[in-house]
This record gives sequence, C-alpha cells and structure tokens, in this order.
Amino acid sequence: GAVVSQHPSWVICKSGTSVKIECRSLDFQATTMFWYRQFPKQSLMLMATSNEGSKATYEQGVEKDKFLINHASLTLSTLTVTSAHPEDSSFYICSARDGGAPTNSPLHFGNGTRLTVT
Amino acid sequence: AQTVTQSQPEMSVQEAETVTLSCTYDTSESDYYLFWYKQPPSRQMILVIRQEAYKQQNATENRFSVNFQKAAKSFSLKISDSQLGDAAMYFCAYRRAPGNQFYFGTGTSLTVIP
Repeated sequence: GAVVSQHPSWVICKSGTSVKIECRSLDFQATTMFWYRQFPKQSLMLMATSNEGSKATYEQGVEKDKFLINHASLTLSTLTVTSAHPEDSSFYICSARDGGAPTNSPLHFGNGTRLTVT
Repeated sequence: AQTVTQSQPEMSVQEAETVTLSCTYDTSESDYYLFWYKQPPSRQMILVIRQEAYKQQNATENRFSVNFQKAAKSFSLKISDSQLGDAAMYFCAYRRAPGNQFYFGTGTSLTVIP
C-alpha cells in the first residue's frame, strides 16, 4: 500500500531556533499533501495544504511566516517551524493522497513528529 | 466548511463484545466519501473502513462495519468481537468528491476491558 514517511519522529529544540520536518510519499506521487497539528487527546487540525510547485494554502489562523511549507517535488513536502516557541510544541502529522489511485482512495499518513520546544 | 461530529468522547466495551461509535456530518453535497480512522497510542493514523456516498450497501471489513444513513447524515462504526488491540482513538472523516481535503471529527476514545 501507499506509504508516507515523515522525519524526524521527534525533535527537541531551543526557543528561537527553526525546525524542519520532512514528509515523503515513498511509492506514489502526491501533488497535494496536508499538514495537521494535533494536541493531546484532540482531533487533527488542518494547518495547510501543500501544493507541488506552488504556494501552500493556509487555514485561517495559521501563521504563514511561522510555518513555512515547501513542496518542491511530487514526493516531498517540508514544514519548517521558524523561531519556535514553547507554544509550538505539539504533534505534527503530514498526509497525502495518491492522485493516481481511485477516487475513493483514503489519506495516507506519516507517523508524525513530536516537537518539543524548550 | 463541512463539519463532522462525534458525540461520544469516550466509549468502553468488554472484550469480545460489540460496540458502536457514532458520527454525524453536515454537507450539502450529494457525492462524497466517508472514512473511519484509528489512532492507537503510537499515534499512527490507520484506515479502518471507507464508504462511498453513492453506495447504498454498508461497507464491511472483517469485524468492522458501518451503518450509513445518507438522509440522516449518519455514519456509525460497529466493531464486533472487540479485541484488546482495538483500543484507540477513532476518528470519523469526510471528503467531498471531487476534492482532496478531509474533515475530521473530534474523535472517540475506545477502551477495551479484558
């Protein structure tokens, strides 16, 4: 089945530094990837839609300059948390749908990244 | 935006028994897809089952089945013969057709009692 690889799985960084999270579709091409944020025991909150070769679409309330998204190829999207602060600590999950798969195909998720900002 | 509602924050079931998780959604679309995802403590999102809105027949996957009531906009998940490994957060999700964006419910935490 379709596999989405997300790296790193966990990261600790100091306040004020930047952290980059990678999301790769391993065996399919994804023109669109999605970045979610999840707080403990809560649902997935869509942050942005990453579009290959164009600008990401951010959800209302998500700071574009803080959460930089780059989707440079059909298999790679990156999320960079810039000037991280403790309130950015969270679980970040990427996902993608195989554009070549049938229309009822599901989202495939990475394993997530736990970010802790000290 | 579409909304997906899961009214049961927590549920519990005895091992080997059956449990039903509720999900309702709001949409004006006639064509869409519905999904149930499971998120165990590892936090990996795992697809459990999917349903196409144009299909009247309820989807089944082994011990998992759905009760899809299109007019009522209801999409419940039934887990039969519950196993300890079924303990997880369960999220209901909606996707419009065509489209890529998924909308998730708030989740139901399922505990399986040995």
